[in-house]
Amino acid sequence: QVHLQESGPGLVKPSETLSLTCTVSGGSIRGYYWTWLRQPPGKGLEWIGYIHDTGSTNYSPSLKSRGTISLFTSGNQFSLRVNSVTAADTAIYYCARGRGGSPTDHWFDPWGQGILVTVSS
Amino acid sequence: QSVLTQPPSASGTPGQRVTISCSGSSSNIGSHTVNWYQQLSGTAPKLLIYTNTQRPSGVPDRFSGSQSGTSASLAISGLQSEDETDYYCAAWDDSLNGWVFGGGTRLTVL
Repeated sequence: QVHLQESGPGLVKPSETLSLTCTVSGGSIRGYYWTWLRQPPGKGLEWIGYIHDTGSTNYSPSLKSRGTISLFTSGNQFSLRVNSVTAADTAIYYCARGRGGSPTDHWFDPWGQGILVTVSS
Repeated sequence: QSVLTQPPSASGTPGQRVTISCSGSSSNIGSHTVNWYQQLSGTAPKLLIYTNTQRPSGVPDRFSGSQSGTSASLAISGLQSEDETDYYCAAWDDSLNGWVFGGGTRLTVL
């Protein structure tokens, strides 16, 4: 049974960099779309981006090039960095595994439990 | 404003059949498959339906999905109290070059 776990600081100052790691256990990191999503408190879900084990990435245009997702196959981990954060980046951040053979037709399963990141001075 | 449109709320009585709609456009639902996620309060979303109609193992057959044109639907039959939670649809959007979600539907079991 694959399990995903997010880790990282829960508080980030405005204009600084948000940095999170997702650790994958119980399964291989090969052949999937490793994805980050977020959910502002009380609001809906937003896709941030993914990295495939081939190294290809795709990001939400709403991040305006502030985001970077990296994959660390030796450690079965992938990470998210978001630069120049503002209060609008306050959200529960989820990592998830994208299953299915196509970059545009796959599904997110499973999800990590999520980590609340607050942007505040 | 979400790219995919869901009703903010839906309701039904125990045993009833309820349907939740998800409306999109030719750049998303009209061109790509739809997935549905269930999110219990305070927990991470869980995959409920994938590729329009498929149920992951462990999801009861009371849950079913369909897609036609630029819309999709999630149907829940034999409604139970534990079904009272939030549901989200999602699909790839070619114009935005990314995944888009519906705003979510909160289902109440009366």
